[in-house]
Amino acid sequence: GAGVSQSPSNKVTEKGKDVELRCDPISGHTALYWYRQRLGQGLEFLIYFQGNSAPDKSGLPSDRFSAERTGESVSTLTIQRTQQEDSAVYLCASSLVSGGNEQYFGPGTRLTVT
Amino acid sequence: GEDVEQSLFLSVREGDSSVINCTYTDSSSTYLYWYKQEPGAGLQLLTYIFSNMDMKQDQRLTVLLNKKDKHLSLRIADTQTGDSAIYFCAVLGLGGGYQKVTFGTGTKLQVIP
Repeated sequence: GAGVSQSPSNKVTEKGKDVELRCDPISGHTALYWYRQRLGQGLEFLIYFQGNSAPDKSGLPSDRFSAERTGESVSTLTIQRTQQEDSAVYLCASSLVSGGNEQYFGPGTRLTVT
Repeated sequence: GEDVEQSLFLSVREGDSSVINCTYTDSSSTYLYWYKQEPGAGLQLLTYIFSNMDMKQDQRLTVLLNKKDKHLSLRIADTQTGDSAIYFCAVLGLGGGYQKVTFGTGTKLQVIP
């Protein structure tokens, strides 16, 4: 497809389990972003990848959160030992280059921690 | 860090104009965006404006930027029921040496038939 895709679309997990969320950016987009949107709140920046540069992890809320990106393709966001407050929609976006270009968003993964 | 604020709710009648406002704090912001989120859907980029512009028009959408007051607005002419959604203002700025986008909390637009 031409857009950003994410999987799974929905994930229900028990508190304490690890989860892995996947993002496939638009082909050729060098910048990739992860955001979190809690119910009734705005988007919260988590992490940003730009090419082969070290990622900007300044938005990660705790050391239970980590993300990887293979080159300029797929990214995975991992949440270890999930907590109920991790329940949110996790959105991935990509852009052609960093800064100043449109960020195209995926449909998101809705994570529910029970 | 950057702070982006929007009012939470706006209600208009079909056919009227809607104006959604946004304020931000970082004067070094370079690009400012408006996104639309319909129920159950992801974010859709509506339009964006460079910080050296005052206005941008795209069909029914008009974006106004007052850089001095750090105020951004989105005007939707002839508002339709299909425009009902949450509208997010977003600002690109520098944070810790990196460029990042900061979003407002979103304004829920309700269009009354």
